[in-house]
Amino acid sequence: KAGVTQTPRYLIKTRGQQVTLSCSPISGHRSVSWYQQTPGQGLQFLFEYFSETQRNKGNFPGRFSGRQFSNSRSEMNVSTLELGDSALYLCASSFSGRAGGEQYFGPGTRLTVT
Amino acid sequence: AQKITQTQPGMFVQEKEAVTLDCTYDTSDQSYGLFWYKQPSSGEMIFLIYQGSYDEQNATEGRYSLNFQKARKSANLVISASQLGDSAMYFCAMREMNYGGSQGNLIFGKGTKLSVKP
Repeated sequence: KAGVTQTPRYLIKTRGQQVTLSCSPISGHRSVSWYQQTPGQGLQFLFEYFSETQRNKGNFPGRFSGRQFSNSRSEMNVSTLELGDSALYLCASSFSGRAGGEQYFGPGTRLTVT
Repeated sequence: AQKITQTQPGMFVQEKEAVTLDCTYDTSDQSYGLFWYKQPSSGEMIFLIYQGSYDEQNATEGRYSLNFQKARKSANLVISASQLGDSAMYFCAMREMNYGGSQGNLIFGKGTKLSVKP
């Protein structure tokens, strides 16, 4: 079974630009979650999508948005990029059962904002 | 509020020895899950082991075991017979069950950097 894939793997953008990251979950998984990882703040939850609906949202500004398509693939968009948005963005998918359902992570997209 | 604490920023262990990585958590919920992930320098988060709050037995997965002490709110990871490839960041995480039985998001600790010496 193929794992979670994320594209692109690396990205360099300029302040003020916008960016879209993509995540394809494991086949059959309906839940996709996004996390931001920075050296200072660690791993922080952005949002979760399940069956094309945002089910859960972390404490991030409205510049961060996402969506999920009918095939469970998800995109995350960040508008008006700031230097502090430089981070590793990780996507995780799960079947979305009980609290014990495992989340499988992709390799991440490393975003650098200059 | 949910919180995960990993008090060891870095650990060293000799190859083939066992090592324990500490994790304590704080939650008022009765139903939750505890996870350990490994993150090599490549960045990918690799799932290692899971313990449910109602599980009576400690979880084991190959060389990994989770020492779950519910009353102390502790979920330490034990790696037996360390290998050079175990050198990585290790994150403890928790997820509470949302109302309705759906999964909540993972809350992560700050991580422990494990270095295995030959």
